[in-house]
Amino acid sequence: GAVVSQHPSRVICKSGTSVKIECRSLDFQATTMFWYRQFPKQSLMLMATSNEGSKATYEQGVEKDKFLINHASLTLSTLTVTSAHPEDSSFYICSATARTGELFFGEGSRLTVL
Amino acid sequence: RKEVEQDPGPFNVPEGATVAFNCTYSNSASQSFFWYRQDCRKEPKLLMSVYSSGNEDGRFTAQLNRASQYISLLIRDSKLSDSATYLCVVSRMDSSYKLIFGSGTRLLVRP
Repeated sequence: GAVVSQHPSRVICKSGTSVKIECRSLDFQATTMFWYRQFPKQSLMLMATSNEGSKATYEQGVEKDKFLINHASLTLSTLTVTSAHPEDSSFYICSATARTGELFFGEGSRLTVL
Repeated sequence: RKEVEQDPGPFNVPEGATVAFNCTYSNSASQSFFWYRQDCRKEPKLLMSVYSSGNEDGRFTAQLNRASQYISLLIRDSKLSDSATYLCVVSRMDSSYKLIFGSGTRLLVRP
């Protein structure tokens, strides 16, 4: 079974609304979580690195005020897409690193902004 | 230039065929290398790590050429279930856990 759970798996929202995606490590404490975005037929693009209790580190070109990341505990990171627009429609995937160094991916969240 | 480049394919092969995928990376300081498999609309899953000496896992063989900054994946005796997108992945020098993904090579295995 999945060791990293993402919720929701699919979400449809109206333009201008905000959407929150959760990423949970189910049976381990994640020292680091990563957020990726994947557009159709393209590679996963790293958006940000999230460390528990500290501010996320964003990749170049990713707006930190638009994509809010909170990593309040060792088992939960959230990505909030604020004021979503149709161009934000994408597949968002998180990954989590265990203390052993193993990396696990969430199942992904498909966002559609109308 | 993309940091990790792959031929997007698709590679359309019959069952039982041998197929090879190539990948090049631009950052010579890249430390770790992987092949991931991604099924349509699913998360990527680790297929195998790639070591300098080359490594094999059943029907899958991975090779790394650091001098040429080139990685390969060979699949022997292709199965229908091998149909997927294969992602070449490298990790950056600044963090062993930060992965950079290629755009993937799509494989279609036909009966």
